Amino acid sequence: TQLLEQSPQFLSIQEGENLTVYCNSSSVFSSLQWYRQEPGEGPVLLVTVVTGGEVKKLKRLTFQFGDARKDSSLHITAAQPGDTGLYLCAGYASNTGKLIFGQGTTLQVKP
Amino acid sequence: ETGVTQTPRHLVMGMTNKKSLKCEQHLGHNAMYWYKQSAKKPLELMFVYSLEERVENNSVPSRFSPECPNSSHLFLHLHTLQPEDSALYLCASSQDGIAGDEQFFGPGTRLTVL
Repeated sequence: TQLLEQSPQFLSIQEGENLTVYCNSSSVFSSLQWYRQEPGEGPVLLVTVVTGGEVKKLKRLTFQFGDARKDSSLHITAAQPGDTGLYLCAGYASNTGKLIFGQGTTLQVKP
Repeated sequence: ETGVTQTPRHLVMGMTNKKSLKCEQHLGHNAMYWYKQSAKKPLELMFVYSLEERVENNSVPSRFSPECPNSSHLFLHLHTLQPEDSALYLCASSQDGIAGDEQFFGPGTRLTVL
């Protein structure tokens, strides 16, 4: 069974702090996506990373795909209350082409 | 309407009821998906349709029955559900249903089975 392990599962921080969320697997992924889901809504795609070692920036969010394409991280600089939500990583498995989701990281940013 | 819409947004049903969830996408996509989202568990893919043909059924119990009458509409028919089926049911669509496609999600139906 292919699994994506996200850590931490829950994170509560003060506004202005930095944080990193990790997504790890023993499987290789052809691409990896990060989604954010707010209460009462479906997940919304933030970014897709495709190349091993790739780094993408989206304002205060930095996404990295591991060299071996088995892991990824999301770093948020100077978190704001608007960043609060459930962050999901999802990878397209190289061998099956299926999209596998992690269990999510719930982020709470307090003003 | 834009994007992916789902109705109803909330549903409470007894174990002997029959109900249907509806999903509509306004993006011109060819693939549609049903996912189940339970607390503290990864999203579980239930069904995939591509060009109105079911291409994946992830060992979902027969009490869940999907229907895709055209590329814009997807239904999930429910009957004799169990309390453990209570979850958020998400519909998604993508351009072609191939690996690497961006999936666009609807807001979900929050289902409670009593």
